Amino acid sequence: GIQVEQSPPDLILQEGANSTLRCNFSDSVNNLQWFHQNPWGQLINLFYIPSGTKQNGRLSATTVATERYSLLYISSSQTTDSGVYFCAVASSGAGSYQLTFGKGTKLSVIP
Amino acid sequence: DAEITQSPRHKITETGRQVTLACHQTWNHNNMFWYRQDLGHGLRLIHYSYGVHDTNKGEVSDGYSVSRSNTEDLPLTLESAASSQTSVYFCASSESPRGGEAFFGQGTRLTVV
Repeated sequence: GIQVEQSPPDLILQEGANSTLRCNFSDSVNNLQWFHQNPWGQLINLFYIPSGTKQNGRLSATTVATERYSLLYISSSQTTDSGVYFCAVASSGAGSYQLTFGKGTKLSVIP
Repeated sequence: DAEITQSPRHKITETGRQVTLACHQTWNHNNMFWYRQDLGHGLRLIHYSYGVHDTNKGEVSDGYSVSRSNTEDLPLTLESAASSQTSVYFCASSESPRGGEAFFGQGTRLTVV
C-alpha cells in the first residue's frame, strides 16, 4: 500500500515563529488532507488539497502531486496551534478511497 | 449542519465481552471508515464501506466486524474484546466515489480490562 512519511516528528516553536511541515507519499493520490489533532483528541480538517495551493488565515498548504509531497505552512504561530498535525492520503488506484495516515508531527508552541 | 457522531465517547469493558461502537453520519456520504489510534502507530484502518451492504477489511481487521444496513450508520463490533483492543476509535465518512474530503467523528476511547 501507499506509504506516508511526515517530518519533522517533533517541533518546538516560540510563539510568533513560522514553520513548515512536510508530507511525502509513495504513489499518486486522489485525496490529500491535513488534520490538526487538538489536545482533546479531536481531528480537525485543515485542508483538502490533492494538488495546488490553499490558504486559510495563518495556515497554507501546497501539494506538488507530480513530485509526491505536500507542505503545511504555519505563520505567526500561537499556543493554540499546539497538537499533532497529520497528513493523510488516498491512493488513486481503482476503488481506493480510504485514507492512509502519516505518523504525524507533534507541534509545541511555547509562550 | 451535517455531522458525524460516535457513541459512546468512553467505554470500559471486560475481556471476552462483545462490544459495539456506534457511528452515525448525516452527510449522506456513501463511504464510511473505522480507524484506531494508538501511540506510536498513528491512525490505522480497521474496516470500511462504500455503500449499503458493502464492507471491506482494512489493515487491522482481526477481531472486528462491521455491517452497513443503511447509508447513515456503520457500527463496529468487537466480537470478544481483548486488552490489545484498548485504543481510541475514530469513525469517518466521505462523499465522492473518487476521494472526496473525509470528516471524522469525535472518537471513542475504549478500555478493555
